[in-house]
Amino acid sequence: EPEVTQTPSHQVTQMGQEVILRCVPISNHLYFYWYRQILGQKVEFLVSFYNNEISEKSEIFDDQFSVERPDGSNFTLKIRSTKLEDSAMYFCASSDGGGTEAFFGQGTRLTVV
Amino acid sequence: KQEVTQIPAALSVPEGENLVLNCSFTDSAIYNLQWFRQDPGKGLTSLLLIQSSQREQTSGRLNASLDKSSGRSTLYIAASQPGDSATYLCAVPPHTGANSKLTFGKGITLSVRP
Repeated sequence: EPEVTQTPSHQVTQMGQEVILRCVPISNHLYFYWYRQILGQKVEFLVSFYNNEISEKSEIFDDQFSVERPDGSNFTLKIRSTKLEDSAMYFCASSDGGGTEAFFGQGTRLTVV
Repeated sequence: KQEVTQIPAALSVPEGENLVLNCSFTDSAIYNLQWFRQDPGKGLTSLLLIQSSQREQTSGRLNASLDKSSGRSTLYIAASQPGDSATYLCAVPPHTGANSKLTFGKGITLSVRP
């Protein structure tokens, strides 16, 4: 069964460093998303991406964040200068449009020290 | 602004019991509603999606209902098993489109005792 794949599963980084979280969405999907979940809190929307551009973003998604689809299969989230409060589980998701389900990856646990 | 609430935060039941998990949302203008399962430290597994025009959706021992006018959905789990132990989350996109952002509840952590 097709699935969304995220790498790495866990990343530890020092405050102020740049990190890139990687995702391979389901191959025929057109809509891509990043969400995050701080420990013990709700899953929060960060950004959606369609047709090679951001279609929607939350107030969390400030200038420190960027997304890219560098080729036909990968979708990345970059955090330019990580802060302690960026520590969270980051989920990538994709959907094929038309009111169908969003499928989520297993997440990348980011720990900023 | 859409708010999604799931109460109680945790539930413990003996194996074999039928149970209902509740989800409420403040803005009834939704496109659909999706139920997810999350195991500790893991990702979100989609369980069921109900379109706004539907009242119910079934998958195996799971049945989800949707009452848009009252802003409620329930997830019914029949004959619960220890393997059903997980956190169950509901999420809704706005009526403007299924491919817009999902607003999540905090989830209900279910423990099924053998």
